[in-house]
Amino acid sequence: EPEVTQTPSHQVTQMGQEVILRCVPISNHLYFYWYRQILGQKVEFLVSFYNNEISEKSEIFDDQFSVERPDGSNFTLKIRSTKLEDSAMYFCASSVGQGIYGYTFGSGTRLTVV
Amino acid sequence: AQKVTQAQTEISVVEKEDVTLDCVYETRDTTYYLFWYKQPPSGELVFLIRRNSFDEQNEISGRYSWNFQKSTSSFNFTITASQVVDSAVYFCALSEAWSGYSTLTFGKGTMLLVSP
Repeated sequence: EPEVTQTPSHQVTQMGQEVILRCVPISNHLYFYWYRQILGQKVEFLVSFYNNEISEKSEIFDDQFSVERPDGSNFTLKIRSTKLEDSAMYFCASSVGQGIYGYTFGSGTRLTVV
Repeated sequence: AQKVTQAQTEISVVEKEDVTLDCVYETRDTTYYLFWYKQPPSGELVFLIRRNSFDEQNEISGRYSWNFQKSTSSFNFTITASQVVDSAVYFCALSEAWSGYSTLTFGKGTMLLVSP
């Protein structure tokens, strides 16, 4: 069964450093998303991406965040200058059409900012 | 305003008991989708079910069943004859037409602990 692949599974970074979280969505999917989950809390929407541009973003997705689809397969989330409160599990998801067809989530990247 | 409410923070049951996880949602859209996801201790999000707002038929899949009632804005999830492997956090989520269904709004989750 097709999967959304996220790397790395766990990343530790120092406060103020830039991090790039990587995702390979399912190949025939057209919509891509990032969600995050602070430990023990609910999953929160960050951003959706379609046709090489952001289609929607939440208040959490401020100027320190950016997304990119650098080639035909990868979808990345960059955090420019990490803060302690960025520590969370970050989930990538993709869908073949808009979300009514369901979302497939990756296994997540646990980001720890120290 | 909280759009998806899972009032039960944690539920503990003994194996073979039936358990119902509650989900109440709020939306002004007439067209929307509801989802349940399972998050086992390993952390991934596992899709369980999707239901659109026009389909109020209850659904059963093995030991899992879902009760969707638009009149009470509820989409409850029942596990029959629970097993230890059912131990996980379960999230209910809503996707609305106004956002082009491009976002999922999650509830806070219910942690289910099934003991042997």
